Amino acid sequence: EAGVTQFPSHSVIEKGQTVTLRCDPISGHDNLYWYRRVMGKEIKFLLHFVKESKQDESGMPNNRFLAERTGGTYSTLKVQPAELEDSGVYFCASSQDKGGGTDTQYFGPGTRLTVL
Amino acid sequence: QKEVEQDPGPLSVPEGAIVSLNCTYSNSAFQYFMWYRQYSRKGPELLMYTYSSGNKEDGRFTAQVDKSSKYISLFIRDSQPSDSATYLCAMRPVFGGTSYGKLTFGQGTILTVHP
Repeated sequence: EAGVTQFPSHSVIEKGQTVTLRCDPISGHDNLYWYRRVMGKEIKFLLHFVKESKQDESGMPNNRFLAERTGGTYSTLKVQPAELEDSGVYFCASSQDKGGGTDTQYFGPGTRLTVL
Repeated sequence: QKEVEQDPGPLSVPEGAIVSLNCTYSNSAFQYFMWYRQYSRKGPELLMYTYSSGNKEDGRFTAQVDKSSKYISLFIRDSQPSDSATYLCAMRPVFGGTSYGKLTFGQGTILTVHP
C-alpha cells in the first residue's frame, strides 16, 4: 500500500510568487492534515480536513494560505503571494479513523519550500 | 511559553547505551502522548503511543507519562546506530470529552548513536 505522497519534494520561488503544494493521502483515509516546520522551530499544525470539509483551520497563519480538498481525495495548499517567512518544510499527514484518540497519523516526506 | 518543551540536543551516545529523551508540557488538556522518529529527508514515523499516565514498552523502547508532573519520557535500551534520527514528542488534547486530531509537537531531539 502506498504511503502519503507529496509533490513537489522541493520548491524554490521568489518572494511574491505563488506556489501550490499537493498531498495525496493513503487511500481510504478521511482525515488529512497539513503541518509546517520552519527552520529551528517545532512542527506546527496548519489545518485538518475530514473528507472535503475543513474540521479545524486554527493553525493557518494568514489569508495568503489557501487549502482545498475537492472530492475528499488529494489536497492542495496554495501560498499566494509567498513571503520569506513562509520558507520551511510542509508536511501532510493522513489518518483513517475519527481523527482523535488513538488514531494514527501517517506523514508524507514533506515539501521543502524556499522563498528567496 | 511553548506548550511543549523538548531539548533539541544534539545527543551523541555510544552503541549499546541507554538513551533517555524527555518532554515537558503545560496544557492539562493533553491526554494522548506520542513519540515520532524522523530520519533525514523523511516524514515523522510513529514510534510509541500512550494514553494518559503510565508506561508502555515495545521491544527496546519504553514510553513513560507522568501527568502530575506534565512530563513524558522515551527510553531506548541497547541503542543501535540505526536509531540515529530526530525524536519528536507530540501530544493531542481532549476537550469536553472530545479528542481532537491536531498534534502539538516538541522541537525534536537529534540523536546520534556511534559504533
